[in-house]
Amino acid sequence: GAVVSQHPSWVICKSGTSVKIECRSLDFQATTMFWYRQFPKQSLMLMATSNEGSKATYEQGVEKDKFLINHASLTLSTLTVTSAHPEDSSFYICSARPDSPGLSGANVLTFGAGSRLTVL
Amino acid sequence: SQQGEEDPQALSIQEGENATMNCSYKTSINNLQWYRQNSGRGLVHLILIRSNEREKHSGRLRVTLDTSKKSSSLLITASRAADTASYFCATASGGYNKLIFGAGTRLAVHP
Repeated sequence: GAVVSQHPSWVICKSGTSVKIECRSLDFQATTMFWYRQFPKQSLMLMATSNEGSKATYEQGVEKDKFLINHASLTLSTLTVTSAHPEDSSFYICSARPDSPGLSGANVLTFGAGSRLTVL
Repeated sequence: SQQGEEDPQALSIQEGENATMNCSYKTSINNLQWYRQNSGRGLVHLILIRSNEREKHSGRLRVTLDTSKKSSSLLITASRAADTASYFCATASGGYNKLIFGAGTRLAVHP
């Protein structure tokens, strides 16, 4: 089945540093990937839609200069949290839509296991 | 942005009982999906129901969709302790079919 690898699974950094999170589709190509943010015991908030070869589309209220997204290839999207602050601490989850969906259908996303960011 | 509300926010039942979760949404949709999330993990897709469908089954799962009321329900029959997780509905809309998630229901199934 479709697998999405997200790395790192957890990271602790100092305030002011930048952190990069990778989202990689292991056995399929994905032109479109999505980045979500989740606070404890809350739902997933869509941050942006990442498209290979073009600029990401950010949701309202999400700072594009703060959360840099690069979709460098059909199997890799990265989220960089720049100049991180404690309020950026959260659980970040990526998902990918297979370009060739097969039996599951084009609307079903495969999610990574998430990355927990703690900013001190 | 979040699409809507789910209720209940939390549900605690005994093994063998049925669990029903409801989801409401605000805008027109292409389809509605249910996902499961174990604590601190990613999401696993459970079932998808298209906007022109009213009911769908998959194993112990039954999903209904009422587009006139903009609501859906997920029924888990004969629950097991392993069903303990958070359950989220998500609606797909727009050209990218981006998924917008509901608030989620935390289900606890006690042995």
